[in-house]
Amino acid sequence: DTAVSQTPKYLVTQMGNDKSIKCEQNLGHDTMYWYKQDSKKFLKIMFSYNNKELIINETVPNRFSPKSPDKAHLNLHINSLELGDSAVYFCASSQSRGRQEKLFFGSGTQLSVL
Amino acid sequence: AQSVTQLDSQVPVFEEAPVELRCNYSSSVSVYLFWYVQYPNQGLQLLLKYLSGSTLVESINGFEAEFNKSQTSFHLRKPSVHISDTAEYFCAVTGDNNNDMRFGAGTRLTVKP
Repeated sequence: DTAVSQTPKYLVTQMGNDKSIKCEQNLGHDTMYWYKQDSKKFLKIMFSYNNKELIINETVPNRFSPKSPDKAHLNLHINSLELGDSAVYFCASSQSRGRQEKLFFGSGTQLSVL
Repeated sequence: AQSVTQLDSQVPVFEEAPVELRCNYSSSVSVYLFWYVQYPNQGLQLLLKYLSGSTLVESINGFEAEFNKSQTSFHLRKPSVHISDTAEYFCAVTGDNNNDMRFGAGTRLTVKP
């Protein structure tokens, strides 16, 4: 069983559209994250959720909104997509929000905005 | 806030050669340090981490990293690389006053036959 799974793996869409990426973890972890990896492989944290509470928002545009229906899921909704949103988006989870915690990553969603 | 610098964006080496991937961090507080590996079309996986105790930490596949506080470094080494080690390697840090894990820009290791 995949520990952290995200769908879709690839997403190609037009500018201005609204899209969602889903993420689920079956590890029983308390904390989930979304990271954005740009074309130069640079990873930037976007959000993290701990027990359904948003605890990080790294100056991400408000077109991006994380939604967590329960502890095992953290979906990413993006409104009015822009060209610059093209990137690989990774979902991750950790047992808790402790700084020593290992992150478990999904396999990524490659978003291409045309 | 803490940050990480990976000095080399690409490191090409021949199979069975030694390799060192460099990582320097900046932080005004104590840190935890990590190395993650990303194989093509996959998510990141933890390779090894330093939390406390011995400054030399090892992974199960022959990599090791040494925490050097005076040089604020956490370089990753392997004495003899394999083709299968070809991947992107990310150094990461968390700090006392901020639980966010900050990643470096990554180093692309390419092992040639």
